[in-house]
Amino acid sequence: QQQVKQSPQSLIVQKGGISIINCAYENTAFDYFPWYQQFPGKGPALLIAIRPDVSEKKEGRFTISFNKSAKQFSLHIMDSQPGDSATYFCAASNRGSTLGRLYFGRGTQLTVWP
Amino acid sequence: SQTIHQWPATLVQPVGSPLSLECTVEGTSNPNLYWYRQAAGRGLQLLFYSVGIGQISSEVPQNLSASRPQDRQFILSSKKLLLSDSGFYLCAWSVGVPNEQFFGPGTRLTVL
Repeated sequence: QQQVKQSPQSLIVQKGGISIINCAYENTAFDYFPWYQQFPGKGPALLIAIRPDVSEKKEGRFTISFNKSAKQFSLHIMDSQPGDSATYFCAASNRGSTLGRLYFGRGTQLTVWP
Repeated sequence: SQTIHQWPATLVQPVGSPLSLECTVEGTSNPNLYWYRQAAGRGLQLLFYSVGIGQISSEVPQNLSASRPQDRQFILSSKKLLLSDSGFYLCAWSVGVPNEQFFGPGTRLTVL
């Protein structure tokens, strides 16, 4: 059972546009929601993360929006650039878990055209 | 600062051959360690995790095994590789905030 559902699977955006990737979860015990960025042939890199006590977190051009009641969160990339072309993974976790297991979405391949 | 190393970076092995992939973390102590596999164009599958030396938990039954002989060393092994073992193997670590995981550069394994 997929704990975190991510959409779309692929996304094509023009340079300067807004890229939006959505994720949904069911487990109400989840209280940590990171996003990872992965370039081809590289390991994923932690991009930005949010806790459910805030509805939005912004770092530069990247913003996470979080809707606790809907159990959904999304990544917005403003002014998308060709260098943002990568695969993005959302994840969810229970911070109370000593293991710290992350449940990942299946990923979104973003292509930004110049 | 903390760094994570994986080797080899790429590996081509015949079916039925053994496997040993190594992961080491520097600059931290007593990390949680994780092995993931990423099939081509697919998501991240957690294979093994370890909260301490000699403590290994498996997520998916398969012909792979893991060991943690030292605090900052994590090894992924197989006695006989299958074609389906091909993929991108990633090691990750976390410490302090257990959910904040940091990934290594990965090993690309091709089984022929």
